[in-house]
Amino acid sequence: TQLLEQSPQFLSIQEGENLTVYCNSSSVFSSLQWYRQEPGEGPVLLVTVVTGGEVKKLKRLTFQFGDARKDSSLHITAAQPGDTGLYLCAGGQGGNQFYFGTGTSLTVIP
Amino acid sequence: ETGVTQSPTHLIKTRGQQVTLRCSSQSGHNTVSWYQQALGQGPQFIFQYYREEENGRGNFPPRFSGLQFPNYSSELNVNALELDDSALYLCASSLAALGVGYGYTFGSGTRLTVV
Repeated sequence: TQLLEQSPQFLSIQEGENLTVYCNSSSVFSSLQWYRQEPGEGPVLLVTVVTGGEVKKLKRLTFQFGDARKDSSLHITAAQPGDTGLYLCAGGQGGNQFYFGTGTSLTVIP
Repeated sequence: ETGVTQSPTHLIKTRGQQVTLRCSSQSGHNTVSWYQQALGQGPQFIFQYYREEENGRGNFPPRFSGLQFPNYSSELNVNALELDDSALYLCASSLAALGVGYGYTFGSGTRLTVV
């Protein structure tokens, strides 16, 4: 059973387009992280959000944590081929593990 | 500052065999977590080690076991391998003192194939 569901599962867009990836749960999280994973590599941390309603920007990437701390979104502006990868959200509940989402596979076509 | 290194990178084993995977944590990190990532899925938590003791375990059977050494490196052992154990095994290090909001540094993983 996945605590975090991501949508869409697959996304293929043209370079320059905008996109949003969603991470949803019925559970509350004390922190929410986004990672990007490339083939043959481990996930790389992009951002951590801990406050409900929090918005963080990382260049062309905007991350938002829902007010109730049950959901999050990742918005990419003007996508580039280098953004291609598997995007994973992960929620922490104050324990020792993070619960990872199902992942969104993004392909940006030049 | 060195990152997390895992060995071997790829491994093929036969059903019923045993396997040991190794992980060297990032310099300064004292906590190691192991995750299993099946093809097309997100990583699933196996267990975490802190101060050489298991510090939390996910929904994995006892044939999955681990060790952490004084230098914070770690091993994951899997006995009686099953076909469904085929996956990418990820090691992640972190610094416990920074709390739950601090993210992991992952290694590149070990791709285990059980035939």
